Amino acid sequence: DGGITQSPKYLFRKEGQNVTLSCEQNLNHDAMYWYRQDPGQGLRLIYYSQIVNDFQKGDIAEGYSVSREKKESFPLTVTSAQKNPTAFYLCASREIGTEAFFGQGTRLTVV
Amino acid sequence: GESVGLHLPTLSVQEGDNSIINCAYSNSASDYFIWYKQESGKGPQFIIDIRSNMDKRQGQRVTVLLNKTVKHLSLQIAATQPGDSAVYFCAETRGNKLTFGTGTQLKVEL
Repeated sequence: DGGITQSPKYLFRKEGQNVTLSCEQNLNHDAMYWYRQDPGQGLRLIYYSQIVNDFQKGDIAEGYSVSREKKESFPLTVTSAQKNPTAFYLCASREIGTEAFFGQGTRLTVV
Repeated sequence: GESVGLHLPTLSVQEGDNSIINCAYSNSASDYFIWYKQESGKGPQFIIDIRSNMDKRQGQRVTVLLNKTVKHLSLQIAATQPGDSAVYFCAETRGNKLTFGTGTQLKVEL
C-alpha cells in the first residue's frame, strides 16, 4: 500500500536534545517537503528537496537540518538551536506539477 | 520570523448551503494551485487543483476559481455537509517550492 509514513506519531524530548523525525515514501516521488504547524495556524515550509543529495531551505529553516541520501527518505533533525520546537510536523512528497501527498504527522513535545 | 497568536478565520454555514472559501496569493509567478482539507490531528488531504493557464475547474461538489488579475483563488463547496467541517488551505507552487496560505476553518451547522 503506497503512501508516506511518518514516525513516531508522538515524540517527547528534553530541552537541549536533538531529535530526528522520520519520513519515508514509496510513491517514487522526486520532491519531498517538511512543514511545521502550530495550533490554529497554517503550514510553514522548513526544508524541501527536489532530488537525492539536494535540498533547499524553506521559510523557517533555522534550527533544523535535513538529509536526502535516498529517494524514499527525508529525515528532519530538530536541533537544540530551535528555540520553540514543540509543534506538529508534516512531511509531504510529490511529482513536480502535481499535488503533494502528506503523512499523518509527528507531534513533537519538548519538555 | 515566528507568527504568534494568529487564529484561523472561520466560516460558518448551514448544512445544505454552498460554501465559498477564499485565498489570496502573493506571487504572480506561481504556476499551480491546490486546495487541501485538514481534519484535526491529521495530515492535509488533496481536494482539487488548478493550473495557472486555467480560470475554473470542477470536481465532485467542488469548484476552484482562479483570478490571476487580482491573485485570488476560491473554493466553492456545493450542498455543504457535516463531514465538510475541517480547515481548508490553499497552496501555491513556484517551481519546486510549495507554500501554503493561512487556512480557513469551515464549520457546518445542522
